Amino acid sequence: DIQMTQSPSSLSASVGDRVTITCRASQSISSSLNWYQQKPGKAPKLLIYAASSLHIGVPSRFSGSGSGTDFTLTISSLQPEDLATYYCQQSHNTLWTFGQGTKVEIK
Amino acid sequence: QITLKESGPTLVKPTQTLTLTCTFSGFSLSTSGVGVGWIRQPPGKALEWLTLIFWNGDKRYSPSLKSRLTITKDTSRNQVVLTMTNMDPVDTATYYCARSDTLPATSYLDFWGQGSLVTVSS
Repeated sequence: DIQMTQSPSSLSASVGDRVTITCRASQSISSSLNWYQQKPGKAPKLLIYAASSLHIGVPSRFSGSGSGTDFTLTISSLQPEDLATYYCQQSHNTLWTFGQGTKVEIK
Repeated sequence: QITLKESGPTLVKPTQTLTLTCTFSGFSLSTSGVGVGWIRQPPGKALEWLTLIFWNGDKRYSPSLKSRLTITKDTSRNQVVLTMTNMDPVDTATYYCARSDTLPATSYLDFWGQGSLVTVSS
């Protein structure tokens, strides 16, 4: 299995802050990396696919980068509605795996 | 508009078999590149990918659960069914179905159901 490790596991930031979440794969996955946002009590939603492509309707303050084993999700200016847990997910070899999640809280 | 909805029992007993149905609309599972997958989330824990079935009938299973899982599709009824045998309390979770789409670079889960909480208890 390809293991996905996210860091940090949680963070607290103020409205307007730039927030960065990292996801590392246990082996190279090229650009087969997706990011999801899960708000409390809700189903996950796709934010970013193929490492850096923004899903339709997702605000432009979200961006993704990386390839190979190291990936980053960035929120350029944190908003109150971004309170959520964020998950990375690899689809490199059709045996998919998720990261353990990063909980983002608002100070 | 693409929608998916999970249905099935909310409570199962240990050792029983769980059967969940995902009924979807707004897309066809006969379209090239499209699939439907199942993902679960124990209370307070992370997402866990379980299985996926593709438009062409190809199936993929999580290696750790492969012996207990079966996924099938009924394209004419727009349904995908998940069965999980020998249920245990640790299988208590919210079970989600989601549509997958495939690009040359990746596949991803772009539309999700609301989830169905399944509790395993005697």
